Amino acid sequence: EVQLVESGGGLVQPGRSLRLSCAASGFTFDNYAMHWVRQAPGKGLEWVSVINWNGARVDYADSVKGRFTISRDNAKNSLYLQMNSLRAEDTALYYCAKDKDGSGWYGLDYWGQGTLVTVSS
Amino acid sequence: DIVMTQSPDSLAVSLGERATINCKSSQSLLHSSNNKNYLVWYQQKPGQPPKLLIYWASTRESGVPDRFSGSGSGTDFTLTISSLQAEDVAVYYCQHFYSSPLTFGPGTKVDIK
Repeated sequence: EVQLVESGGGLVQPGRSLRLSCAASGFTFDNYAMHWVRQAPGKGLEWVSVINWNGARVDYADSVKGRFTISRDNAKNSLYLQMNSLRAEDTALYYCAKDKDGSGWYGLDYWGQGTLVTVSS
Repeated sequence: DIVMTQSPDSLAVSLGERATINCKSSQSLLHSSNNKNYLVWYQQKPGQPPKLLIYWASTRESGVPDRFSGSGSGTDFTLTISSLQAEDVAVYYCQHFYSSPLTFGPGTKVDIK
């Protein structure tokens, strides 16, 4: 059974940093691209970032480019999101999601339950 | 960046009736290399993460009931629920995978009339 478990969320002051983690199991992690998607309270879905199977290709939403860094450790079956210079508008539930493919991007077929990030003073 | 729009914002349909949701992209999602449209549909129920329903605009994900179908090409796409069931009450999102950033539509809320 595919499982994605996010952690690392919490309350953080504006301008500070936070690192999210996603532990994957139940599939061959290094065969698939992985994504982060966020959802502000009561709002729609916002795609944040993607990393391909070996970490050689990454992309970001314009809203986080230059502040967030996606990475993965295939030996640990883990995905990460380093979030710097956090803003109030980054407050959201952050989902880790698996792509159906390793190099291309075809659709997010498994999602975690999310970890909540609240940016507030 | 590709902008995704959805219509209507919400709809209420009687049990057993058809529900139709539209999604439009600001540029074509059809890849000439493989003739596939890089458009997916998700269902999100309250308190749950999204669930993949349809990819490549019309390919149903494994395990998804056949009352869900996707159609369209280029810039105009449709998700159809042929006979609405109580468990289909949810928000439905389209998302493109044509090029980064992989934007979502704003969502369509489906309720029972």
